[in-house]
Amino acid sequence: DTEVTQTPKHLVMGMTNKKSLKCEQHMGHRAMYWYKQKAKKPPELMFVYSYEKLSINESVPSRFSPECPNSSLLNLHLHALQPEDSALYLCASSQEGANEQYFGPGTRLTVT
Amino acid sequence: TQLLEQSPQFLSIQEGENLTVYCNSSSVFSSLQWYRQEPGEGPVLLVTVVTGGEVKKLKRLTFQFGDARKDSSLHITAAQTGDTGLYLCAGEGGNEKLTFGTGTRLTIIP
Repeated sequence: DTEVTQTPKHLVMGMTNKKSLKCEQHMGHRAMYWYKQKAKKPPELMFVYSYEKLSINESVPSRFSPECPNSSLLNLHLHALQPEDSALYLCASSQEGANEQYFGPGTRLTVT
Repeated sequence: TQLLEQSPQFLSIQEGENLTVYCNSSSVFSSLQWYRQEPGEGPVLLVTVVTGGEVKKLKRLTFQFGDARKDSSLHITAAQTGDTGLYLCAGEGGNEKLTFGTGTRLTIIP
């Protein structure tokens, strides 16, 4: 099973809302990632979790808050977002290190 | 800063034709992956190359890693409409991060 699942598929939220994105993998991977992708651009790394610990934060604004409750789950909590945060948010996982990442289908986020 | 430049940025060809996409950097990578992404979906891993000079084939797709592990190419033979998508190369530089290429948007015309 090489599947990474993400929910919801689509999300529309106002600038005062609080919402969460969820990601799950059951491949026993030890590294999990959040990426942001704008239209016609490659994915941009936001956070890396390694063995359930946050190892990389790419200077992401605090309105994005990641959480790794266990080795299979990764959440991204959203609060007070701006319209420019509208994008496709991708979760990925890998066995160890950054090599061979498996991506979920993404959450299309629109901030109004 | 590690950068990966892909060329061409856009490519539109007829079904049945051959094509090559290039991925170039001045940095050395310990491995390099190729992904294909369709609109509104996540990238799908196609292949990983690790050894300089390595060639891997996946049906009509041939991937090559440069001898110095700084560049890679993807060659598609007899392109089909199902090959349409955004092709991304991504290099692992040993810092827990993938450096993504700038992307090649491929359109196969029936």
